[in-house]
Amino acid sequence: KQEVTQIPAALSVPEGENLVLNCSFTDSAIYNLQWFRQDPGKGLTSLLLIQSSQREQTSGRLNASLDKSSGRSTLYIAASQPGDSATYLCAVFNAGKSTFGDGTTLTVKP
Amino acid sequence: DGGITQSPKYLFRKEGQNVTLSCEQNLNHDAMYWYRQDPGQGLRLIYYSQIVNDFQKGDIAEGYSVSREKKESFPLTVTSAQKNPTAFYLCASFRDRAGGYTFGSGTRLTVV
Repeated sequence: KQEVTQIPAALSVPEGENLVLNCSFTDSAIYNLQWFRQDPGKGLTSLLLIQSSQREQTSGRLNASLDKSSGRSTLYIAASQPGDSATYLCAVFNAGKSTFGDGTTLTVKP
Repeated sequence: DGGITQSPKYLFRKEGQNVTLSCEQNLNHDAMYWYRQDPGQGLRLIYYSQIVNDFQKGDIAEGYSVSREKKESFPLTVTSAQKNPTAFYLCASFRDRAGGYTFGSGTRLTVV
């Protein structure tokens, strides 16, 4: 059974800092990995999707990497801003469905 | 704009009552999913459907039912058999491995 772990559960940083969020999974036979952002009381907004054949994807200040062999993905956020404060979740897709991590709650202090 | 619409945004249920949560998509995606999210926890899969007129139980299907009569619609009924229904419910559709998931804005269900 696929298990997805996100560490740390919470992170607080000062504005302007670069940071890395981690996602690890136990079964490397995945088709893709997707990073989401969730604001309180809202749905999930897709940030980046990395297919199994890719090693990274970039969108603006965000960069996501994937290392299938080690079962790890990282989400790098450059020059963090207070508006980046949210919960970030990763999800890995295989066997027709995805398994989600519990998320990392990020607080960026002005 | 294409997307997923969940309604209502807030729903209150009395003990012993069945309620139905609506999920509609205009993305032309075949697969649709229902997840439950409890405070401080991740998403748990309730039901999913990969094609019209077919659906499968997820990890926590007991006390829930679904139908998939149209490609665009995947309603979730929370029955009186669900003993702890208070939660945030999220509907999603899945394009393909390259496209990933699109989520709705969620329905918050509270038992009163």
